[in-house]
Amino acid sequence: DVKVTQSSRYLVKRTGEKVFLECVQDMDHENMFWYRQDPGLGLRLIYFSYDVKMKEKGDIPEGYSVSREKKERFSLILESASTNQTSMYLCASSLLRGQGGVRQYFGPGTRLTVT
Amino acid sequence: SQQGEEDPQALSIQEGENATMNCSYKTSINNLQWYRQNSGRGLVHLILIRSNEREKHSGRLRVTLDTSKKSSSLLITASRAADTASYFCAEDTGRRALTFGSGTRLQVQP
Repeated sequence: DVKVTQSSRYLVKRTGEKVFLECVQDMDHENMFWYRQDPGLGLRLIYFSYDVKMKEKGDIPEGYSVSREKKERFSLILESASTNQTSMYLCASSLLRGQGGVRQYFGPGTRLTVT
Repeated sequence: SQQGEEDPQALSIQEGENATMNCSYKTSINNLQWYRQNSGRGLVHLILIRSNEREKHSGRLRVTLDTSKKSSSLLITASRAADTASYFCAEDTGRRALTFGSGTRLQVQP
């Protein structure tokens, strides 16, 4: 079974702090994703990566950066946390596109509160 | 990118009843996927239907796809309290990332 783990389930940070959210997958997937989930807005893509050191902006990248130094690990960085970044953050991974469509595997999520 | 829309936003039924959730999308798709999310947890993939398929079954799940109307439905038959969760459709348009809808919250009363 694919396992996607996230470094924290709950995190409380102060405004202005630098925040690191870590995600690790154990299935040698090429693609990794970071989403944020807010009530009524569904999942919105922040960034994704299709290879080591490769990244692409998603729909809401402002205020975030990412790092992928190893294939299994994808980090989301909030350079200077703000209260409007309080949210549930979900990491996912998938194989590169193949025949029949590609499903994503999700981690359990990190609920971040910025005070 | 624009997100798909699920309908209804929330659904409450009794155990044993069927639950139907609908998803509308705006662009051409390669396939459409449904995911389930238990409260406060990550999403779990349920089923994938390709653009050239009209109906697909998996256990108590039945998914239909109408590409002319750009819509899909997820039917859960003989629902159980354990089916209580949020359900999301996700469009695979050929981009690397999926586009998720805003979800339907299903409550199954025992």
